[in-house]
Amino acid sequence: DQQVKQNSPSLSVQEGRISILNCDYTNSMFDYFLWYKKYPAEGPTFLISISSIKDKNEDGRFTVFLNKSAKHLSLHIVPSQPGDSAVYFCAASAWLQGGSQGNLIFGKGTKLSVKP
Amino acid sequence: NAGVTQTPKFRILKIGQSMTLQCTQDMNHNYMYWYRQDPGMGLKLIYYSVGAGITDKGEVPNGYNVSRSTTEDFPLRLELAAPSQTSVYFCASSFYRVSEGTQYFGPGTRLLVL
Repeated sequence: DQQVKQNSPSLSVQEGRISILNCDYTNSMFDYFLWYKKYPAEGPTFLISISSIKDKNEDGRFTVFLNKSAKHLSLHIVPSQPGDSAVYFCAASAWLQGGSQGNLIFGKGTKLSVKP
Repeated sequence: NAGVTQTPKFRILKIGQSMTLQCTQDMNHNYMYWYRQDPGMGLKLIYYSVGAGITDKGEVPNGYNVSRSTTEDFPLRLELAAPSQTSVYFCASSFYRVSEGTQYFGPGTRLLVL
């Protein structure tokens, strides 16, 4: 039973346009959400995060939106660049619960291709 | 600053063999983690450690063992390799728990069990 779902395995976007990557979760105890980016043959790297007390967090070209009532978050990349082409993983944690519930649960990832 | 290093990069094992995947971090992080990523899937936590001498099971611990004798090292042991353990293994570390600090990942070890 997947607690974190990324229903789009892939997304193709033109350079300069907006990329929107979506993530849904089922566990209402999740209170911290992260996005990781992964290039082939490398480990994931942290991109941006958001806690459940916020509904938006921005870092440069990257913005994460959280809709708690819908149990949905999205990552917006504006403008998209060819170097953004990678697999993006959504992850969630119920860190306030402590113990093992504070560990990260990952989605399956969305492969973003940004075409020049 | 090397960050998180993993060895080997790639290994082929026969069914029933054993091996140790090495992980070292030089950032003085308290927390360390082992994940596996199967093709087309997300990362799943195998084991984690909150400090030297303290380890705990994650989501998929069966068939694996860990130890944490120092802050820097967190080896993962496979005792009797099975084809189901064919995967890419990532080690990660963080100074704080999830919300206060990001996890830094190593480059991964690709394991093929035949």
